[in-house]
Amino acid sequence: IVMTQSPVTLSVSLGERATLSCRASQSISSKLAWYQQKPGQAPRLLIFGASTRATGIPDRFSGSGSGTEFTLTISSLQSEDFAVYYCQQYNNWPPYTFGQGTKLEIK
Amino acid sequence: QVQLVASGGGVGQPGRSLRLSCAASGFTFRNYPMHWVRQAPGKGLEWVAVLSNDGDNKNYADSVKGRFTISRDNSKNTLYLQLNSLRAEDTAIYYCARSVTIFGVIDYWGQGTLVTVSS
Repeated sequence: IVMTQSPVTLSVSLGERATLSCRASQSISSKLAWYQQKPGQAPRLLIFGASTRATGIPDRFSGSGSGTEFTLTISSLQSEDFAVYYCQQYNNWPPYTFGQGTKLEIK
Repeated sequence: QVQLVASGGGVGQPGRSLRLSCAASGFTFRNYPMHWVRQAPGKGLEWVAVLSNDGDNKNYADSVKGRFTISRDNSKNTLYLQLNSLRAEDTAIYYCARSVTIFGVIDYWGQGTLVTVSS
């Protein structure tokens, strides 16, 4: 399964909303996760099951979608949110597959 | 808290071998499937391998099948990845990670160890 994220780079101002998209080449039900990765760090789980926040993740992060179309929304961007975001499917395996990433940068 | 500390990276020559280790703490290691995921410099994430909690079931990405071997020692709370027949395209940061079920979501990642394949 090929995961395609858009856009590749997203420029957003502090306090604004960011919307990131992820598309699967075939249906993955709701078996989708979102990860955040900051420079020099390991990825961190944000969302699993397409819409469930992981432990300790602020409620400004929300996920939606099912089947082939998914969205990660960050409602009011904080400085610590600027990072690269990856989606990953875990419905059809092996292998797990990741999207190519969306870099969220400050406008 | 959950900690996964990978080690063993370094420079390896093409065709040679390296062994990576991942020391786990803060959770009951023997209850969790474990993964290796890699990231080439400046690139995205590529899943490499998974091993069930009891060590009986394992799966590999096609890109490493037949060359890499995942294993674990539950008495030492340690995960391993044996890298044989190294290629330049194996150059990457290798992360160990865990999931609650063998192909469930990956919920914790270690900090990674860098493998560079170069002559």
